[in-house]
This record gives sequence, C-alpha cells and structure tokens, in this order.
Amino acid sequence: ELQLVQSGVEVKKPGESLKISCKGSGQSFSSYWIGWVRQKPGKGLEWMGIIYPGDSDTRYSPSFQGQVTISVDKSISTAYLQWTSLKASDTATYYCASRFRWPFDFWGQGTLVTVSS
Amino acid sequence: QSALAQPASVSGSPGQSVTISCTGSSSDVGGFQYVSWYRQDPGKAPKLVIYDVTYRPSGVSYRFSGSKSGNTASLTISGLRAEDEADYYCCSYTPNPPLSYVFGTGTKVTVL
Repeated sequence: ELQLVQSGVEVKKPGESLKISCKGSGQSFSSYWIGWVRQKPGKGLEWMGIIYPGDSDTRYSPSFQGQVTISVDKSISTAYLQWTSLKASDTATYYCASRFRWPFDFWGQGTLVTVSS
Repeated sequence: QSALAQPASVSGSPGQSVTISCTGSSSDVGGFQYVSWYRQDPGKAPKLVIYDVTYRPSGVSYRFSGSKSGNTASLTISGLRAEDEADYYCCSYTPNPPLSYVFGTGTKVTVL
C-alpha cells in the first residue's frame, strides 16, 4: 500500500523561505501524481497544485500560481512545496495526497506551518 | 476557480439518512464523472470515501453512496452512526487549467 510521510512542524518569520517535503513509499513513486492541499486554521481544503514525478509535469491552481513552487526528487521519492518569502497568511496545515488510482486516495499526515513575527 | 458550494452543516439522528449536496458548474461537477468525497476528523488528514461520483474504495462502508444530477453531486450517509460525525468535502476535476481540481466548502455532519 502507498504511504506518504511529510516533514515536521515549521515555525517561521515573515519573509523567510521554506521547503516542506512529502516522501512516498510502497509503490513506484514515478507512477502517480502528487498533489498539495492547504487548510487554514478552522477552514476548508484548498487545492494548490499537482506534480507527476515521472517527468516533473506540474500544474498549479490559479490561486497559487507564482506563490509557491512544487518540485520533486524522484531519486529519493520525495515531493516538495516551497516558498521564497512567507507571509502570515501562509499559516496553515499543508497536506500532500496521491492520485494513485483515484484522486486523492492516499494522504500524508499534514505539515503545520506557522508564520509569525 | 471558485470553491464548490456545500451546506455548512447537516444533522440527523442515529439510523436516519443525511444527504450533502455539492454544487458547481458545467466546467467541473456537471462536465465530468470525476467527483470525489472525503471525510475529515478533527486534527486528521482527509480520507477518501467516494470516487468517480459513485464508487466506494475498499474498506469504506456501504452506508456511503454518491450520485450526481446536472451540476450538483450528492453524498448520502444512510443508517447514520455516531462515528459518522465529521467534516465532509467534495472535490471535482476541472480542466481549467488542465488537470486541476477544486474542493467544496465543506459540511459538518452532526449526529444528534
């Protein structure tokens, strides 16, 4: 069975950069899409974008295009979500999720990112 | 991309059925058979309960069923149990831009 394990809690200051990760195991990492989903405190799920590790084909939600970068290192079965300059409004839990057989059938445990001065 | 519209909350007594609606447009829900539903318990990651409008993944109770009519998809939970209390989200494929998805606003299911 496919498993996704995300990196741990992050506490950052506005303007700092950040890269969080999502490591897949249990299935060929290059054979399924990995998506990222944001959930602000007490709010709903927002789809951010998706990447195919096989060829790094990446698609972004218009709401997140230019705000974040999604990447992958298939040699270590890991997808990434990164920011160059964090804002307080980026405070949220970020989930990675696979589109293995169906969207989104397996989820990481979530990474809480807190941005505060 | 606007979030798909769901009722903020629905409630029912044990044993009853509840239905959650998910309204989009012909560019997402109405245009494709690619609506999925997720339940999310507090502090936990979402879990897939319905995919491709009507299909249940292995391990999901038969009490969960999905349907679609026009631009509105629905999730029905029959034989409501206390353990069904959670937040539920719909999600639809949309090709604008290509290979994109949009989530619903979320519905809190309360078992009275």
